[in-house]
Amino acid sequence: RKEVEQDPGPFNVPEGATVAFNCTYSNSASQSFFWYRQDCRKEPKLLMSVYSSGNEDGRFTAQLNRASQYISLLIRDSKLSDSATYLCVVTVPRFNAGGTSYGKLTFGQGTILTVHP
Amino acid sequence: DTGVSQNPRHKITKRGQNVTFRCDPISEHNRLYWYRQTLGQGPEFLTYFQNEAQLEKSRLLSDRFSAERPKGSFSTLEIQRTEQGDSAMYLCASSLVYGGINQPQHFGDGTRLSIL
Repeated sequence: RKEVEQDPGPFNVPEGATVAFNCTYSNSASQSFFWYRQDCRKEPKLLMSVYSSGNEDGRFTAQLNRASQYISLLIRDSKLSDSATYLCVVTVPRFNAGGTSYGKLTFGQGTILTVHP
Repeated sequence: DTGVSQNPRHKITKRGQNVTFRCDPISEHNRLYWYRQTLGQGPEFLTYFQNEAQLEKSRLLSDRFSAERPKGSFSTLEIQRTEQGDSAMYLCASSLVYGGINQPQHFGDGTRLSIL
């Protein structure tokens, strides 16, 4: 089983639609959760962190369910510019020799979103 | 531009050749990571540096791969005797640990390697 699993899509939606992406992770010790966005042939960029209480950033809402080991991302009022691959990312606590936690990111395979006029 | 810089952007080489990539992190960042991404997959962790010390290597990093960060600033990733399966995007990321907390990682544009 993959550590982080996402529905690869693709999702094709019209402008203005609401779209939701889901992600599950296998390691119950996972500590930090993120959604990254990656445009074609570009680097991943942090979209938002995901907090236990759920959080919102404009049209984007992220939810975390630790009991079910499930993360979601909701995009409202989709724009053409939202077309990208959305990567679900988790970190598991890992400590270096100095006892400091460091963030090895574990990525899902990504969900492709295309927003059309 | 003070972001993470990687070069070259693209590298095409014949199987069996050695290649070296360079990453210049954001200047105040003390942590540097290498990832590899193949088509249709998310990035996979390869290795990580805290300053000049390489503290973890993934099992993906065979003995043909070596990474260095000699002065705790830029890093190089070398692949010896390249194989077709090495074709991928190699991504570098950097972050800052502050107050014991690892701040978000910032990625470079990547180096796309194609093995003929």
